[in-house]
Amino acid sequence: QSALTQPPSASGSPGQSVTISCTGTSSDVGAYNYVSWYQQHPGKAPKLMIYEVNKRPSGVPDRFSGSKSGNTASLTVSGLQAEDEADYYCTSYAGSNNLVFGGGTRLTVL
Amino acid sequence: EVQLVESGGGLVQPGGSLRLSCAASGFTFSTYSMNWVRQAPGKGLELVSYITSSSTIYYADSVKGRFTISRDNAENSLFLQINSLRDEDTAVYYCARPGRPYAFDIWGQGTMVTVSS
Repeated sequence: QSALTQPPSASGSPGQSVTISCTGTSSDVGAYNYVSWYQQHPGKAPKLMIYEVNKRPSGVPDRFSGSKSGNTASLTVSGLQAEDEADYYCTSYAGSNNLVFGGGTRLTVL
Repeated sequence: EVQLVESGGGLVQPGGSLRLSCAASGFTFSTYSMNWVRQAPGKGLELVSYITSSSTIYYADSVKGRFTISRDNAENSLFLQINSLRDEDTAVYYCARPGRPYAFDIWGQGTMVTVSS
């Protein structure tokens, strides 16, 4: 069982927005602003999309945004495109140099 | 180009051993912590081990006592010695660089470890 809870699936039509949640506890997501999101296409390595809750690495489209409220972090993908179809994982720092992962969400573009 | 390239995976019997390697290029390897993250078939990501630039080491409870992480800064290389392999160790093993605070900005392509008799 993963430390962070994500919905197993999410979906949206092209052009729509979809939000994926990542629920932790007051010891991880709620305690630190070190939530990250990764995108993984089948057979590929994960790719960092968001770090420190809402920061985007260079090259990541601004259609991807992150936020946090209490013990729940969220990734929002706006203006869905076919290439956004992938698995998405959240992680959070949990203190004492521990990092916890979510179980992943499969995003389907209808 | 910043790059990580893993090698050393393969098919091994339960109880066997493997040594995974990760060759880094394009950045000052010695100044970064480095991590091994694995993904079992059809499953999520799991942090297996990391080693800091000052050689502080962490292991997940699931591998403690069986896996050994090390690094050679002169050769820009990261290693993972995996012993007493179990079926549940079957996974793609990625090396990853935490170029952002508690976030992995560079990943290798992964190396597959299959434990089966």
